[in-house]
Amino acid sequence: ETGVTQSPTHLIKTRGQQVTLRCSSQSGHNTVSWYQQALGQGPQFIFQYYREEENGRGNFPPRFSGLQFPNYSSELNVNALELDDSALYLCASSDWTGDGNTIYFGEGSWLTVV
Amino acid sequence: QKEVEQDPGPLSVPEGAIVSLNCTYSNSAFQYFMWYRQYSRKGPELLMYTYSSGNKEDGRFTAQVDKSSKYISLFIRDSQPSDSATYLCAMSERGYQKVTFGTGTKLQVIP
Repeated sequence: ETGVTQSPTHLIKTRGQQVTLRCSSQSGHNTVSWYQQALGQGPQFIFQYYREEENGRGNFPPRFSGLQFPNYSSELNVNALELDDSALYLCASSDWTGDGNTIYFGEGSWLTVV
Repeated sequence: QKEVEQDPGPLSVPEGAIVSLNCTYSNSAFQYFMWYRQYSRKGPELLMYTYSSGNKEDGRFTAQVDKSSKYISLFIRDSQPSDSATYLCAMSERGYQKVTFGTGTKLQVIP
């Protein structure tokens, strides 16, 4: 167990709708990253939040947005859902102030867009 | 060309075999190298973590990094059926920042 929890675990949405995914980071970790993993692919970096500010973004359009809260938990919001958004969405937490620490993933949220 | 290349497999071996998994990369700024194990429909689980070049051993697992060749490997000794999973190589310029993954190699260990 990594201590990173995500909700919901599975959901189905219709094309054009909006979705919010939630993540609680591991205790003591102040940095949260989100990744998208399509079937048969490795995770792709969406963005990272540190102290409630976006700190790096991958090649994803602006309809992918996020928030980090003072307790370091985070949300991923996706607007105007497209069929290709169907994927496993992974949250990962890390400690920015650590010494060479790496990141730990939650179990993910499976999103199906129909 | 992708920043990280990994043979997707699948790789099928008998129980007890030595397994070799490999990745190549093109970004010379990568300094942190990781291997994750992912069971079907689960999140990735960190197996090994190495900083810069060298070897690191943890039980049946050995990770090797050759920065001069931009090549990393994971060896699994005495493979077990429970090792059947997808293995993802991953790397970053800074350990806690953006991580770039390979596509994953699916491993099946046959009893």
